[in-house]
Amino acid sequence: DTEVTQTPKHLVMGMTNKKSLKCEQHMGHRAMYWYKQKAKKPPELMFVYSYEKLSINESVPSRFSPECPNSSLLNLHLHALQPEDSALYLCASSQGALLSDEQYFGPGTRLTVT
Amino acid sequence: AQSVTQLGSHVSVSEGALVLLRCNYSSSVPPYLFWYVQYPNQGLQLLLKYTTGATLVKGINGFEAEFKKSETSFHLTKPSAHMSDAAEYFCASNTGNQFYFGTGTSLTVIP
Repeated sequence: DTEVTQTPKHLVMGMTNKKSLKCEQHMGHRAMYWYKQKAKKPPELMFVYSYEKLSINESVPSRFSPECPNSSLLNLHLHALQPEDSALYLCASSQGALLSDEQYFGPGTRLTVT
Repeated sequence: AQSVTQLGSHVSVSEGALVLLRCNYSSSVPPYLFWYVQYPNQGLQLLLKYTTGATLVKGINGFEAEFKKSETSFHLTKPSAHMSDAAEYFCASNTGNQFYFGTGTSLTVIP
């Protein structure tokens, strides 16, 4: 199984809502990532988890809260988002803790904040 | 700072023609280099990667890339474009503690 799955595929939320994005992989990878991608732009790294511990937070606003309950699962909790947070949110995983390992990406969650 | 530069945000080729997508990296130490492809409304898929060793790297879907240290380049090529190759292509690099994507090149294949 070389797949990273993400749910939901699409999400529309108001600025006062609380929602969560979910990412799962069963490849035994020990590093997992959240990226944000705006249209026609490259992905921007948000968070990196290595061996279930947060190792990189790219100065992401606190309205985004990551969680790694176990080595296969990664969540991104959303609260009080702004319209400019609308984007494609991509999850990825890699075998090792180093960013030198290739990353496997999920299909993404298309988020719209109204 | 380590970075990659993709020359040409849009490239158009005729079906059957050579595909050449350019990527240059900036680093005093050769980095790990990757090419990813993204089809509309999908995630990124790894095409190929360079770590060490052979400078000509073969990837999936007939793509290959050559690492040229003297030119700090890692250009992606495919001998014959297919309609299904139309997508966004990202070059990426890292030096072990930071991962950088280029700005992307949108490939259009003309029938």
